[in-house]
Amino acid sequence: GAVVSQHPSRVICKSGTSVKIECRSLDFQATTMFWYRQFPKKSLMLMATSNEGSKATYEQGVEKDKFLINHASLTLSTLTVTSAHPEDSSFYICSARGTGGVGYTFGSGTRLTVV
Amino acid sequence: QKEVEQDPGPLSVPEGAIVSLNCTYSNSAFQYFMWYRQYSRKGPELLMYTYSSGNKEDGRFTAQVDKSSKYISLFIRDSQPSDSATYLCAMSANSGYSTLTFGKGTMLLVSP
Repeated sequence: GAVVSQHPSRVICKSGTSVKIECRSLDFQATTMFWYRQFPKKSLMLMATSNEGSKATYEQGVEKDKFLINHASLTLSTLTVTSAHPEDSSFYICSARGTGGVGYTFGSGTRLTVV
Repeated sequence: QKEVEQDPGPLSVPEGAIVSLNCTYSNSAFQYFMWYRQYSRKGPELLMYTYSSGNKEDGRFTAQVDKSSKYISLFIRDSQPSDSATYLCAMSANSGYSTLTFGKGTMLLVSP
């Protein structure tokens, strides 16, 4: 089945630094990838949609200059949290939609803690 | 009114029980309905995927969609401790490839 690898699974960083999260589709080409944020006991909130080779589409209220998304190839999308602050601490999850598959495959998530 | 409503639980049941998980929604444009299972600190994994109204069965899991009532259900038969997780409903309009709207998720605890 389709596999999406997300790395790192956990990261702790200092306030003001930047963190990059990678999302790779291992056995299929992902034309579209989605980035979600999830707070404890809350639902998945879509942050942005990225299509390979074009700019990401951000959801209302998501700062595009803070959450930089790059989808440079059909197998890799990255989310960079710039100038991280403690309020950015959350669980970030990517998902990918393949070129011919049904539904979405999720990565295993990244627990970001900003201290 | 939120687009998708889901009781967060937790729902505690003994092993072997039949579990019923539900979501209601308000957007009549939703046509594709999914159930995801999410273990703690992991990404969601797709359990069931249905289009429009009707039932779909896969092993111990049965998904039901009633579009007239805007109500979907997931039934788990012979529940196991390994079923303990958070179950999220998700739905989308137009096609299975548009963005998903998720419920908050219901935490299920199955005790041995």
